[in-house]
Amino acid sequence: EDKVVQSPLSLVVHEGDTVTLNCSYEVTNFRSLLWYKQEKKAPTFLFMLTSSGIEKKSGRLSSILDKKELFSILNITATQTGDSAVYLCAVTAPPLSGGGADGLTFGKGTHLIIQP
Amino acid sequence: NAGVTQTPKFQVLKTGQSMTLQCAQDMNHEYMSWYRQDPGMGLRLIHYSVGAGITDQGEVPNGYNVSRSTTEDFPLRLLSAAPSQTSVYFCASRQGQGGQPQHFGDGTRLSIL
Repeated sequence: EDKVVQSPLSLVVHEGDTVTLNCSYEVTNFRSLLWYKQEKKAPTFLFMLTSSGIEKKSGRLSSILDKKELFSILNITATQTGDSAVYLCAVTAPPLSGGGADGLTFGKGTHLIIQP
Repeated sequence: NAGVTQTPKFQVLKTGQSMTLQCAQDMNHEYMSWYRQDPGMGLRLIHYSVGAGITDQGEVPNGYNVSRSTTEDFPLRLLSAAPSQTSVYFCASRQGQGGQPQHFGDGTRLSIL
């Protein structure tokens, strides 16, 4: 059974701090790892990672994947109160049967709170 | 840009009632899916569809039915609601069978009394 574990489950920091969120996975036939940010409503897409060692960056957020050690990290520098959210990690893999669409398995999320 | 639209946003049902959660996307995406999100459980896949006329079960399909008569619409039906189905339901879609991120609707908060 595919498994995605995020840590920590919750984190409280002060504005301006740098945070690192972790995601480890056990997936048969791994295809990609995705990070989403969820505030009050829909998860919004942040990054998709498929190759080891290549950092993806968007403003103060960055992420990298290690396919050998089966984990990814999401870094947020100079945090702001608007970064407060639940950050979700998910992995995709094709079905073991060989046909059909990739499934998406989510971790439980990291609840990040940025205090002013 | 409408993206993925879910209705209703909130609903309260009594045990045993039936209802349909609506999901529509205007991006011509082949793949559509339904998730439920419960505290401490993350998002879990209920059903998914890889195209019109094709549906399949996800991780937690019991108590739910789906159909996909058009590319745009993917309704989720609760035939006889149970308190255990109290949750937030998200619909998502993506282009193709893999390799692209899913785009989510704003969710339906459902309470079963």
